[in-house]
Amino acid sequence: GIQVEQSPPDLILQEGANSTLRCNFSDSVNNLQWFHQNPWGQLINLFYIPSGTKQNGRLSATTVATERYSLLYISSSQTTDSGVYFCAAFGGNQFYFGTGTSLTVIP
Amino acid sequence: DTGVSQDPRHKITKRGQNVTFRCDPISEHNRLYWYRQTLGQGPEFLTYFQNEAQLEKSRLLSDRFSAERPKGSFSTLEIQRTEQGDSAMYLCASSLQGSYEQYFGPGTRLTVT
Repeated sequence: GIQVEQSPPDLILQEGANSTLRCNFSDSVNNLQWFHQNPWGQLINLFYIPSGTKQNGRLSATTVATERYSLLYISSSQTTDSGVYFCAAFGGNQFYFGTGTSLTVIP
Repeated sequence: DTGVSQDPRHKITKRGQNVTFRCDPISEHNRLYWYRQTLGQGPEFLTYFQNEAQLEKSRLLSDRFSAERPKGSFSTLEIQRTEQGDSAMYLCASSLQGSYEQYFGPGTRLTVT
């Protein structure tokens, strides 16, 4: 299967700071998605981004499929951004998830 | 717009009992996936349906686990003779055929005592 590695595993930010989360994957993928998991366990779709760059408000993502990585940028972080961020690479018929980046934003 | 729904949201059971979970996908989605997530880990793939056909099943899934999607709409996941190691969050996701973008339900949290 596809190996997915996320870094950093943990991140603590002051409110208002910017951050970059990285996702490396071991093989060609058909899809890559970024999710935010809320404290109740719900996975919330952030981006569907097999390649290229997308932006949604303070969040943006870039996937360079040929180099097998994706980046999630969070600008002007807010306390509500706290939680675990997962990237998931789709190959074959399933998603392969990384172990996540746990983000804590301090007021 | 109704998203993916799962029932129950929480289940506490004693070791050795059988449990069944239900997932209702987004109405026009014909692909349905089950995942399991333990504390501190990312979700792990269990099985995948396209319409009513179960097309893939993880080798990690023991024969105590079975999933069905009889009419290509909702799906059930049954765990027989539960063990404490089965305690986890069970997540369901769905997608449109031809799209790899998955939408997840809220999950069912299983605790085996």
